[in-house]
Amino acid sequence: DTAVSQTPKYLVTQMGNDKSIKCEQNLGHDTMYWYKQDSKKFLKIMFSYNNKELIINETVPNRFSPKSPDKAHLNLHINSLELGDSAVYFCASSQGGLRRAEQFFGPGTRLTVL
Amino acid sequence: AQKITQTQPGMFVQEKEAVTLDCTYDTSDPSYGLFWYKQPSSGEMIFLIYQGSYDQQNATEGRYSLNFQKARKSANLVISASQLGDSAMYFCAMREGRGAAGNKLTFGGGTRVLVKP
Repeated sequence: DTAVSQTPKYLVTQMGNDKSIKCEQNLGHDTMYWYKQDSKKFLKIMFSYNNKELIINETVPNRFSPKSPDKAHLNLHINSLELGDSAVYFCASSQGGLRRAEQFFGPGTRLTVL
Repeated sequence: AQKITQTQPGMFVQEKEAVTLDCTYDTSDPSYGLFWYKQPSSGEMIFLIYQGSYDQQNATEGRYSLNFQKARKSANLVISASQLGDSAMYFCAMREGRGAAGNKLTFGGGTRVLVKP
């Protein structure tokens, strides 16, 4: 059983389109995250949700809108895609409040904007 | 200023030898945690080891150990007896603060390790 799953694994789309990436975790964690890894492998937090509530919103264009329908799901919708959005997007989850709460990462979604 | 610095962009290591990956960090928060993750060429992020700022002993997990020098703000990863499967990118990350809002990880730029047979 996959702990953190993301769909799709690959996403190729044209500039200006709107797309969504879905994430689900079956670990019973209460905190979920979206990270972006750019072409130079640099990883940066985008959003974090705790019990469906947005708690971290880094400086991300408002074309990116996360949605958490329940504790186990965190989706990422991107409007009006731009070339610079091409990256690998990782979903992660952890048990919030624990000091050594390691984050479990999904397999990543490679987004290519043409 | 960079919060997490990994100064070695890439390194080679001979199979069965040990390798040390450097990581320095910058924080004024007394409560923080340091993590190391491995990212093989397949792309997934694999948790390796954790060190808390209040932990008295250096963390160890199998062949991985963390050389934690709090005064120098360094948390170097040591991989002993390198194996070909250790070839990957390695990321150092820091969590600052407490509670759910303090759970975000700030990552360093990574070190690519290539193990030679």
